Amino acid sequence: DIVMTQSPLSLSVTPGEPASISCRSSQSLLHSNGYNYLDWYLQKPGQSPQLLIHLGSNRASGVPDRFSGSGSGTDFTLKISRVEAEDVGVYYCIQNLQIPLTFGPGTKVDIK
Amino acid sequence: EVQLVESGGGLVQPGGSLRLSCAGSGVTLSTHYTHWVRQAPGKGLVWVAHINVDGSRTNYADSVKGRFTISRDNAKNTLHLQMNSLRVEDTAIYYCARGRAGAGNSMEVWGRGTTVTVSS
Repeated sequence: DIVMTQSPLSLSVTPGEPASISCRSSQSLLHSNGYNYLDWYLQKPGQSPQLLIHLGSNRASGVPDRFSGSGSGTDFTLKISRVEAEDVGVYYCIQNLQIPLTFGPGTKVDIK
Repeated sequence: EVQLVESGGGLVQPGGSLRLSCAGSGVTLSTHYTHWVRQAPGKGLVWVAHINVDGSRTNYADSVKGRFTISRDNAKNTLHLQMNSLRVEDTAIYYCARGRAGAGNSMEVWGRGTTVTVSS
């Protein structure tokens, strides 16, 4: 199975400041079609997860442009350009290249 | 409102069975990959299973293989998860999720979840 790791596991951010979360996979997620099979989800407190980024760098419908995804192969980054209070929650990366799909442990983001 | 609605959760003894359902309301399931994902109390997300559009192909996490069966009824726009030989460690919120068109393993629509508790 592909093992996903994230860092940091918790992050406290000042509103208006940027934030960055790293995700690493134990195997390359780059498919021969050129896409990286890596998604990012946010689970806000008390809510279901929501898709933020798919295929490494594509924002899902309705996701604010302060969120961006980058990276390739085994190293990926989710960046929030200016954190807002509504961005608190747990951020998960997931590889969907190979079965079983595997999530990272999650990064808990709160506001200072 | 566009939503997925899970049902069928509850309290069951170890070794027992439950059948979860997920219905689409304003959401078409029949033309998309669909998934079950679970979250144990205070823990992270774990993918459980998925099924392709016509139900001919299914995949499972090793932890549930041979005990859980995912199925779909496209005529009723519904997804199911039959869970047998339940264990204490299966206790979790179970979410259904619909994959994106053309990229079925990216889960773009989620339900609110149904809680399964396995305890004696």
